[in-house]
Amino acid sequence: QKEVEQDPGPLSVPEGAIVSLNCTYSNSAFQYFMWYRQYSRKGPELLMYTYSSGNKEDGRFTAQVDKSSKYISLFIRDSQPSDSATYLCAVPPSGGYNKLIFGAGTRLAVHP
Amino acid sequence: ETGVTQSPTHLIKTRGQQVTLRCSSQSGHNTVSWYQQALGQGPQFIFQYYREEENGRGNFPPRFSGLQFPNYSSELNVNALELDDSALYLCASSLGLRGSGANVLTFGAGSRLTVL
Repeated sequence: QKEVEQDPGPLSVPEGAIVSLNCTYSNSAFQYFMWYRQYSRKGPELLMYTYSSGNKEDGRFTAQVDKSSKYISLFIRDSQPSDSATYLCAVPPSGGYNKLIFGAGTRLAVHP
Repeated sequence: ETGVTQSPTHLIKTRGQQVTLRCSSQSGHNTVSWYQQALGQGPQFIFQYYREEENGRGNFPPRFSGLQFPNYSSELNVNALELDDSALYLCASSLGLRGSGANVLTFGAGSRLTVL
């Protein structure tokens, strides 16, 4: 079993839709949970991170962690064509914040 | 403030050859990590350099090696290239080994290696 599982999609939605992106993880010791966005021909950029359980909101983006079910989600409200990218969930193992474990990434396309 | 720059952006090698990829870290960052991203996959951690020494390695064989220079720039060397080494190689820089909260990694755009 992979430590972080993510449905690779692709996911295609109309502009304005609410998008839900999800990952599961296997190690209950993980404390930080991150979402990276990667545009085509670019490196990943940190979108949001959360610590432990709960929600974190930043503009149109909401990150949610449910540690009881080892499930992490990213919601995008009022999706825009500029949100078209690959979204990667990532967790740092204990003591290794730079040694991230990434999911496979979900490719999102938002069409006008 | 400059970001992370990598060179070359694309290169093609044949099986058995050797390759060197270069990375200049973001200004003020002293730690460099390298990741391999195969097509359709998430990045996989190769190793990390801090104070010119390797500090942590992922599940990669010894033919993957690296260097960090006093100016914090870094090189990734891969010997005896195999077809499966074809991937996007990402360099990421950060400040320190562990930050408070999530130590933000700044990634470069990557070097795309094709092995024929």
